[in-house]
Amino acid sequence: EPEVTQTPSHQVTQMGQEVILRCVPISNHLYFYWYRQILGQKVEFLVSFYNNEISEKSEIFDDQFSVERPDGSNFTLKIRSTKLEDSAMYFCASTWDGTRGQYFGPGTRLTVT
Amino acid sequence: DQQVKQNSPSLSVQEGRISILNCDYTNSMFDYFLWYKKYPAEGPTFLISISSIKDKNEDGRFTVFLNKSAKHLSLHIVPSQPGDSAVYFCAASVTGSYQLTFGKGTKLSVIP
Repeated sequence: EPEVTQTPSHQVTQMGQEVILRCVPISNHLYFYWYRQILGQKVEFLVSFYNNEISEKSEIFDDQFSVERPDGSNFTLKIRSTKLEDSAMYFCASTWDGTRGQYFGPGTRLTVT
Repeated sequence: DQQVKQNSPSLSVQEGRISILNCDYTNSMFDYFLWYKKYPAEGPTFLISISSIKDKNEDGRFTVFLNKSAKHLSLHIVPSQPGDSAVYFCAASVTGSYQLTFGKGTKLSVIP
């Protein structure tokens, strides 16, 4: 069964550094999403992306965050200057048609020290 | 911000019995609800959903009930199996938005 993949599984970075989290959505999917889950808290929506542009974003997704689909398969989340509070599990998700049953990847654990 | 609440952090059920997971919401704009299951070290997996025009949706052992007047939904798993042991998240969305709003999750343990 096709699945969403994410790399790396764990990323450790120092405060102030830039990080790029990578995702390969399911190949025929057109809508892409990033969520995050801080330890012990809820899964929170960050951003949705369709047709090479952001279609929706949350308050969390400030100027420090950006997303890109650099080629036909990858979908990336960049955090420009990481803060301690960015430490979380980051999940990528995708759907074919924007319906709400989104397919999630296994996540990247980001640790900012 | 607690628009979607799962008030039970954990639930233990005997194998073969019914598991009932509950979820409450406060935002009356929500019109589509989903349940996700999550195993450790994996992402959430979509389980079942329900539109606000329905009050019940069934898929095999899983049934979701929606009570709009009470702003309450529940997931029933019958019969429960040890492989159902996972964290279950309730999520909700509004038509026209791609954003899912999640609850904190309920950890279900099915005891053999």
